[in-house]
Amino acid sequence: EPEVTQTPSHQVTQMGQEVILRCVPISNHLYFYWYRQILGQKVEFLVSFYNNEISEKSEIFDDQFSVERPDGSNFTLKIRSTKLEDSAMYFCASSLRVISMNEQYFGPGTRLTVT
Amino acid sequence: KQEVTQIPAALSVPEGENLVLNCSFTDSAIYNLQWFRQDPGKGLTSLLLIQSSQREQTSGRLNASLDKSSGRSTLYIAASQPGDSATYLCAPNEKLTFGTGTRLTIIP
Repeated sequence: EPEVTQTPSHQVTQMGQEVILRCVPISNHLYFYWYRQILGQKVEFLVSFYNNEISEKSEIFDDQFSVERPDGSNFTLKIRSTKLEDSAMYFCASSLRVISMNEQYFGPGTRLTVT
Repeated sequence: KQEVTQIPAALSVPEGENLVLNCSFTDSAIYNLQWFRQDPGKGLTSLLLIQSSQREQTSGRLNASLDKSSGRSTLYIAASQPGDSATYLCAPNEKLTFGTGTRLTIIP
């Protein structure tokens, strides 16, 4: 069964460093998303991406964050200068379409630890 | 702004029992609602997607209902098993808004 994959599973970085989290969505999906979950808290929407553009973003997704689909398979989240409060699980998700049959499939997550 | 509440926050039931998890949301203008389970330290597994035009959706021992006008959804789990132990999350719409979930423990 097709699945969303994410690498790395765990990333440790120092405050102020740039990190890139990678995702390979399900191959025929068209919509891509990033969410994060700070330990013990709710899963929070960050950004949605369609047709090589951001379609929606939350207030969390500030100028320190960017997303890219550099080729036909990968979808990346970049954090330019990490802060301690960026420590969280980051989940990538994909779906076939945006309305109606919009079942989102999540990857296993990348645990980001900022020290 | 959509707010999602799930009650109870935690639930423990003996194996074999049927149970209902509740989800309420404040903005009834939704296209669909998705139920997930999350195992500790893991990602989210999609269980069911129920569209706004549907009242129920079934998958195996799971049945989800949706009452858009009252802003409520329920997830019914029949004949619970220890493997059902997880946190269950509901989330409406494309830009999924999550509550804190219900942590379910099935006692063997």
